[in-house]
Amino acid sequence: AQSVTQPDIHITVSEGASLELRCNYSYGATPYLFWYVQSPGQGLQLLLKYFSGDTLVQGIKGFEAEFKRSQSSFNLRKPSVHWSDAAEYFCAVGPNAGNMLTFGGGTRLMVKP
Amino acid sequence: DAGITQSPRHKVTETGTPVTLRCHQTENHRYMYWYRQDPGHGLRLIHYSYGVKDTDKGEVSDGYSVSRSKTEDFLLTLESATSSQTSVYFCAIRDPNSGNTIYFGEGSWLTVV
Repeated sequence: AQSVTQPDIHITVSEGASLELRCNYSYGATPYLFWYVQSPGQGLQLLLKYFSGDTLVQGIKGFEAEFKRSQSSFNLRKPSVHWSDAAEYFCAVGPNAGNMLTFGGGTRLMVKP
Repeated sequence: DAGITQSPRHKVTETGTPVTLRCHQTENHRYMYWYRQDPGHGLRLIHYSYGVKDTDKGEVSDGYSVSRSKTEDFLLTLESATSSQTSVYFCAIRDPNSGNTIYFGEGSWLTVV
């Protein structure tokens, strides 16, 4: 069965600092991987996705993620965090681009001024 | 904007009463999903549909039923609501025009008292 682990439930960073959110997955074949962001009271917005090809993918809002098959990881990064990045971030994995997406438990990001 | 509308957005209901949540899409996408979101669990798939009258169970389908009589509408019904079904419910669609990416609605907050 596929699964996703986001080891950090809460992360606090200072505005302007770099950010890395961890995501580890378990899946038997080549996974489809996603990062979503959720602001309070809102739905989930897709940040970026990996299907195949270049293992470093660029997303919206200056985010990027790197797929590392050997580590079963798909960590999300941003070089300089803005206060508006405070939100909850979800990593997800699926057997194909759609059905049966499995989500991690989420990481809540807080940004200090 | 993925053209997804959920209703109601907020509802408080009593234990044992039936509840129906509606998801409406404007893009005639074939695949639609219902997820629930609970703290620490991320999003978990309840049911999904791959066409009119074609539905299947997800990870947490017990206590829920769905119907899809029209392409644009996907209904989630709690036949007899319980307190454990207090949650935020998200509808989603799969967009074949963007690599089969899943897009989410704004959510429906349901409280069962």
